[in-house]
Amino acid sequence: GDSVTQMEGPVTLSEEAFLTINCTYTATGYPSLFWYVQYPGEGLQLLLKATKADDKGSNKGFEATYRKETTSFHLEKGSVQVSDSAVYFCALSGDNDMRFGAGTRLTVKP
Amino acid sequence: NAGVTQTPKFRILKIGQSMTLQCTQDMNHNYMYWYRQDPGMGLKLIYYSVGAGITDKGEVPNGYNVSRSTTEDFPLRLELAAPSQTSVYFCASRDRGDNEKLFFGSGTQLSVL
Repeated sequence: GDSVTQMEGPVTLSEEAFLTINCTYTATGYPSLFWYVQYPGEGLQLLLKATKADDKGSNKGFEATYRKETTSFHLEKGSVQVSDSAVYFCALSGDNDMRFGAGTRLTVKP
Repeated sequence: NAGVTQTPKFRILKIGQSMTLQCTQDMNHNYMYWYRQDPGMGLKLIYYSVGAGITDKGEVPNGYNVSRSTTEDFPLRLELAAPSQTSVYFCASRDRGDNEKLFFGSGTQLSVL
C-alpha cells in the first residue's frame, strides 16, 4: 500500500543552521503530500502541503517541493530557530485516509 | 470554535478493563480518524470513517472498535485492554474535497498496567 519513509532522527542543529529532513513516498496514484509539525504536548498541525508534481509548499520559512521523478518531498528551512524544535511528520493522502511517516525530532540549540 | 475535542487527556487502565475514548468535532467534517502514536513509530491508523454510519479498518485495528452514529462523534472502544495498547491516541477530522488538511485533537495518553 501507499507509504512514507522519513529520515531517521533525532536531528540537533544550532540556531540559524540550514535544515533538511528527507521524505520519500510510495504510492500507486498521485497523492497530495504534507508536512505536519507536533510541538510538545500538542496534536499535529499542518505545516505545508503540495497537491501535484512540481508544486512547492511553503509556510513559516519552511519549504518542500513535490518531486515525482524522485518520489520525494524533502523539508527545508534556511535558518532554524529555537522555536522550531518539534517533531516533523511527512504524510500522504490516500483515497480516504492519511498515511504518516515515523516522524523526525528536531532540536535547535541557541 | 472548539475544533476536535478528545477526552480524557490521561487514563490508566488495568489489563482486561475496557474504556471508550471520546472524540467530537464541531466543523461538520465528514471524515474522522483514530491514530495511535508510539515512541519513534510515528502515527498508525486504527480506524476511520467517511461519514455517519460508515467505518473502516486502518493499519492496526485489532483490539479496538468504533462507531459513527452522528457526524460529530467518533468514539474508540477498547474492550479488553492489553499492555500493547499503551500509547498516545489522536483523533482527527477533515472535510471532503480539495482541502485535505487534517485537524487533530490534543491526544489521550493511555497506560495499561
